[in-house]
Amino acid sequence: SAVISQKPSRDICQRGTSLTIQCQVDSQVTMMFWYRQQPGQSLTLIATANQGSEATYESGFVIDKFPISRPNLTFSTLTVSNMSPEDSSIYLCSVVGRATEQFFGPGTRLTVL
Amino acid sequence: QQQVKQSPQSLIVQKGGISIINCAYENTAFDYFPWYQQFPGKGPALLIAIRPDVSEKKEGRFTISFNKSAKQFSLHIMDSQPGDSATYFCAASIPNSGGYQKVTFGTGTKLQVIP
Repeated sequence: SAVISQKPSRDICQRGTSLTIQCQVDSQVTMMFWYRQQPGQSLTLIATANQGSEATYESGFVIDKFPISRPNLTFSTLTVSNMSPEDSSIYLCSVVGRATEQFFGPGTRLTVL
Repeated sequence: QQQVKQSPQSLIVQKGGISIINCAYENTAFDYFPWYQQFPGKGPALLIAIRPDVSEKKEGRFTISFNKSAKQFSLHIMDSQPGDSATYFCAASIPNSGGYQKVTFGTGTKLQVIP
């Protein structure tokens, strides 16, 4: 199994500012995934981050709004830029272990005022 | 496009009863069907999963029933306990050209087990 930590666990931000969320995994993984979970909703994949290459974004998500870094095999960051109240969500980092099992971090609960 | 439909949205079950959550999918290329359990303030955790070549999988009190022809699968929680109170997500995944399984999640079911 993989143990994933995220920082911060929660934050309250002002409209128009940016927040960078960190994700740390206790083992080396090729791919890391960033999800958004809006209140009471399901999980939506934002992007897939490979070490050493540009992140791949899902439809509806763009790099200017959600830039991602993946400097090594155990770490990634997601930035939520120029935030609006509609960005209030839980942001989850995820990795895939053996046999396709997916592990999730505890999430970052973001509130934008 | 919603590819995995989940019902009910919420469920209240008496302690000791059976909780049943249903999901339906559209894409016949899905080849892996996991269920996730999420407690408040936590990330989802894999509970049990099945592949389409099997009609049923049981792990303790949790059973997945899979009907490939109907493109439906369900989670049964036997002898439900208050500690099972959580949100449950079904999911379906498909191999992606990027070399990983792309996962589509259902909308979630909030289960409450009352004593």
